[in-house]
Amino acid sequence: DSGVTQTPKHLITATGQRVTLRCSPRSGDLSVYWYQQSLDQGLQFLIQYYNGEERAKGNILERFSAQQFPDLHSELNLSSLELGDSALYFCASSVEASGVTDTQYFGPGTRLTVL
Amino acid sequence: GQSLEQPSEVTAVEGAIVQINCTYQTSGFYGLSWYQQHDGGAPTFLSYNALDGLEETGRFSSFLSRSDSYGYLLLQELQMKDSASYFCAVQSENTGGFKTIFGAGTRLFVKA
Repeated sequence: DSGVTQTPKHLITATGQRVTLRCSPRSGDLSVYWYQQSLDQGLQFLIQYYNGEERAKGNILERFSAQQFPDLHSELNLSSLELGDSALYFCASSVEASGVTDTQYFGPGTRLTVL
Repeated sequence: GQSLEQPSEVTAVEGAIVQINCTYQTSGFYGLSWYQQHDGGAPTFLSYNALDGLEETGRFSSFLSRSDSYGYLLLQELQMKDSASYFCAVQSENTGGFKTIFGAGTRLFVKA
């Protein structure tokens, strides 16, 4: 158990819908990262927040947005869902801002299925 | 642009040694990490190299050559439970901030 929690574990929805994925980082970690992993694919970095502020942006679609709240939990919002958005979405947390020299701890992931 | 290359699959026998290579192309390089992911599970951190050389952690070692933009993960005394996907990840800094870019992963099959 990494100490990072994600809800829900599974999510099934229809095309065109909007969903929100939630992540609580490990106690004491200020950075939260979101990743997308499609079937048999690597991890695609989406976005990073540090202490409530956006820190780095990866290949995140305009239909996707995220935020980190004062209690440090984070939400990833996916809208106008398409079939291709079906994937595992991982949240990770780390202590530092850069996430470079310290370990990222991954949550169990949310499996999103768009029908 | 940024890119990482690692073999898609490697097969080895129990008790053997296996090396998984990773070559990268990026600007603003900071370091190279390795993660393990079992089927259906979350990635877990294995090692991190910021400087040239070998880092050893138990049965696993990781090597980095910044001049060659190359690294590898060495797994010794392979066990069946080592069957998993292994991802190299490059940390870099650019105008968009710090980023971690993952490779596509190497699937390791350990045979008895």
